[in-house]
Amino acid sequence: QQPVQSPQAVILREGEDAVINCSSSKALYSVHWYRQKHGEAPVFLMILLKGGEQKGHEKISASFNEKKQQSSLYLTASQLSYSGTYFCGTEKPGSARQLTFGSGTQLTVLP
Amino acid sequence: DAGVIQSPRHEVTEMGQEVTLRCKPISGHDYLFWYRQTMMRGLELLIYFNNNVPIDDSGMPEDRFSAKMPNASFSTLKIQPSEPRDSAVYFCASRASGRDLSYEQYFGPGTRLTVT
Repeated sequence: QQPVQSPQAVILREGEDAVINCSSSKALYSVHWYRQKHGEAPVFLMILLKGGEQKGHEKISASFNEKKQQSSLYLTASQLSYSGTYFCGTEKPGSARQLTFGSGTQLTVLP
Repeated sequence: DAGVIQSPRHEVTEMGQEVTLRCKPISGHDYLFWYRQTMMRGLELLIYFNNNVPIDDSGMPEDRFSAKMPNASFSTLKIQPSEPRDSAVYFCASRASGRDLSYEQYFGPGTRLTVT
């Protein structure tokens, strides 16, 4: 079953912060985050394997609450280059590396 | 490494024609995934292979779709006959296994298919 992402779209000014949420109705083994720019392929941002674990990549970080079956992506002091569509991909226990992607959150950063 | 290679990048065909999409995964990767992306349905997994063997094809829409992986460096996704509702961007992705943290899937540039 497809994870639910929120919000569907967000518009920011450069330097502002944003949070993108991903929730699943099923128990999760891991959560993956990808960013896709218009007309390009999705690009991997990070993976979260353990409950409560936070990982970071420059000013983008994420958390994973295994108990609540939720993950959040935090974009701090957003830059123009952060614009794109963000997808979470969830992996269920025993699914042998198969990801189910959410419908995406379109992020637009304005100067 | 050149990354995942897909061909053609764009394909325009008429309804009823056979379409073959091609993918070359990253050397050494033993998982290969085929996805379809549309505005309505988002990014859907169609089928994936492990060591050239199809593991799960439950996402393949119907019998008109078939996929093969004859060797570790080549896979095809075939649609026969094609229909307008097959119009989408088809992505191939590959990943390695072995290390717990090596779960990153590397996506190819995609093939934009238009069926008229």
